[in-house]
Amino acid sequence: QVQLQQWGAGLLKPSETLSLTCAVYGGSFSGYYWSWIRQPPGKGLEWIGEINHSGSTNYNSSLKSRVTISVDTSQNQFSLKVNSLTAADTAVYYCARGERSFDSENFQYFYHMDVWGEGTTVTVSS
Amino acid sequence: QSVLTQPPSVSAAPGQRVTISCSGSISNIGNNYVSWYQQFPETAPKLLIYDNNKRPSRIPDRFSGSKSATSATLGISGLQTGDEADYYCGTWDSSLSAVVFGGGTKLTVL
Repeated sequence: QVQLQQWGAGLLKPSETLSLTCAVYGGSFSGYYWSWIRQPPGKGLEWIGEINHSGSTNYNSSLKSRVTISVDTSQNQFSLKVNSLTAADTAVYYCARGERSFDSENFQYFYHMDVWGEGTTVTVSS
Repeated sequence: QSVLTQPPSVSAAPGQRVTISCSGSISNIGNNYVSWYQQFPETAPKLLIYDNNKRPSRIPDRFSGSKSATSATLGISGLQTGDEADYYCGTWDSSLSAVVFGGGTKLTVL
């Protein structure tokens, strides 16, 4: 059974850099897309970006200039960095495993996230 | 402002059936498969429906999904008080090359 364990600093100051890591246990690391998602207090889910085992990334265009997602396949881990933090970055941050494939018959993408980390609360405050 | 549109809240009595809608566009729901997630307070979301209408093995058949054109629907029958949660739709957006979610719908079982 695949499990995601995430960790990182929970209290940061404005202008600092957020750094979180997610480790994958009990399953294959390749063949999936590894995502970061955040949820501000009382609000909905916001996808931050993803990376696969080869290091190929996709980012939310609204965050792309401040976000870096990296992978360490030797440790089955992937990481998130968000720089130039403001109070608006205060949120619970989740890592998740995504499955994406292309249905060539119907020209559509399958995509879903089937395993999630427990979440890390990040507060940005001076 | 979320790319996918969901009603903020729905409610129904125990035992009844409720539906939650999710509206998008050609670049997301219209041309890709939809998934649904259930989230209880202070916990991580959980996959409920994938590929428009498939359920993970642990999900009871009271939960169902469907899609038509650029809209998707989550159905929950035989409502239980334990179904009170937030529900999110999600899919891949081919124009944005990004995952997009709905704003979430809070289900209240009266």
